[in-house]
Amino acid sequence: EVQLLESGGGLVQPGGSLRLSCAASGFSFSSYAMSWVRQAPGKGLEWVSGIGGSGGNIYYADSVKGRFTISRDNSKKTLYLQMKSLRAEDTAIYYCAKDRSGYSIDWGQGTLVTVSS
Amino acid sequence: SYVLTQPPSVSVAPGQTARITCGGSNIGSKSVHWYQQKPGQAPVLVVYDDSDRPSGIPERFSGSNSGNTATLTISGVEAGDEADYYCQVWDSSSVHRVFGGGTKLTVL
Repeated sequence: EVQLLESGGGLVQPGGSLRLSCAASGFSFSSYAMSWVRQAPGKGLEWVSGIGGSGGNIYYADSVKGRFTISRDNSKKTLYLQMKSLRAEDTAIYYCAKDRSGYSIDWGQGTLVTVSS
Repeated sequence: SYVLTQPPSVSVAPGQTARITCGGSNIGSKSVHWYQQKPGQAPVLVVYDDSDRPSGIPERFSGSNSGNTATLTISGVEAGDEADYYCQVWDSSSVHRVFGGGTKLTVL
């Protein structure tokens, strides 16, 4: 059974930093691209970033480019999202997702990031 | 950047057919994927590559894509289908994944 468990969310002040993690199990982690998708309170889904199985082919949404960094450690079966210069508009539930051919086939339950003073 | 347009809401009586549209410029040339999200839950993939269903998704869910509109069709709608539905494509021009704004399906 595929399991994706996000962690690292919390309350952070504007301008601050946070690192999210996503621990994967139940599948061959290094064989799959992975993504982060977020959802602001009461809003729709917004793709944040994606990374290929080997750690190459990295993409970012324009809204986070230059502030967020996606990475993965295949030996630990873990996906990361380093977030810097956080803004109020980054407040959202952040989902980790397992990808195939440009879409997400499995999703974690999400971790809430709140940016507020 | 590429934009996907969905109606904010669709309402249908139980047992009837719900059709949720997703509009985009020449979307028929792209692969469209659909997700279902119930309140407080993570999204679930219900249709991929325009019309394929993941294992475990009922045959009542189907998809089509042509021209400037993709459509998710839910036949024999049940109360449990009430949820938000999102379409999604990969825009190769911007190398971005794009989601539609979402459609709230209400079962009357």
